[in-house]
Amino acid sequence: GQQLNQSPQSMFIQEGEDVSMNCTSSSIFNTWLWYKQDPGEGPVLLIALYKAGELTSNGRLTAQFGITRKDSFLNISASIPSDVGIYFCAGATSGTYKYIFGTGTRLKVLA
Amino acid sequence: DAGVIQSPRHEVTEMGQEVTLRCKPISGHNSLFWYRQTMMRGLELLIYFNNNVPIDDSGMPEDRFSAKMPNASFSTLKIQPSEPRDSAVYFCASSPAGTGGYEQYFGPGTRLTVT
Repeated sequence: GQQLNQSPQSMFIQEGEDVSMNCTSSSIFNTWLWYKQDPGEGPVLLIALYKAGELTSNGRLTAQFGITRKDSFLNISASIPSDVGIYFCAGATSGTYKYIFGTGTRLKVLA
Repeated sequence: DAGVIQSPRHEVTEMGQEVTLRCKPISGHNSLFWYRQTMMRGLELLIYFNNNVPIDDSGMPEDRFSAKMPNASFSTLKIQPSEPRDSAVYFCASSPAGTGGYEQYFGPGTRLTVT
């Protein structure tokens, strides 16, 4: 099936560093969701975005809905070891339940 | 609050056997989704129910796959007969009324291995 492009695919960072990742699409979306998945678990919803240009925070996480509506960004500030996991973006067009999921960014935090 | 509950968490079966995966959505949610996750294809939507009615089953790979939602608190995904290529993690997700399915909450998944 179709997947969104996420970058980077994986990253190693030091504890305390800030992290940035993005998700791009060839299609315009009206909703973006960001999830985190731990090994052996289901994706956990982190942030939902509904408007172009919207900036939403959830604790140390901040996500933005790109102005072009073809991309979204997730930032994690002052990373900690429990931030380790795979981060997925998901985009959908208006009025639809059909999300297209990204390929995932695998984050590893070095203590 | 209880999240989406799935059972079993792990299932190992032999090719040709019937497999039934179960899901209890979050209470009050009126939309339910079944997904399959593999390394090659990522997360794929199999079927979507709204108010217990199947709305879109276009993602169901073959007639060997079937899903039911007899009431608002229970759904099953059945594979009969199972094949090795069905090995994957199967997730159930639910969404609250009024969101149009925008916010989907996932269960812990069932890891299926077909030998």
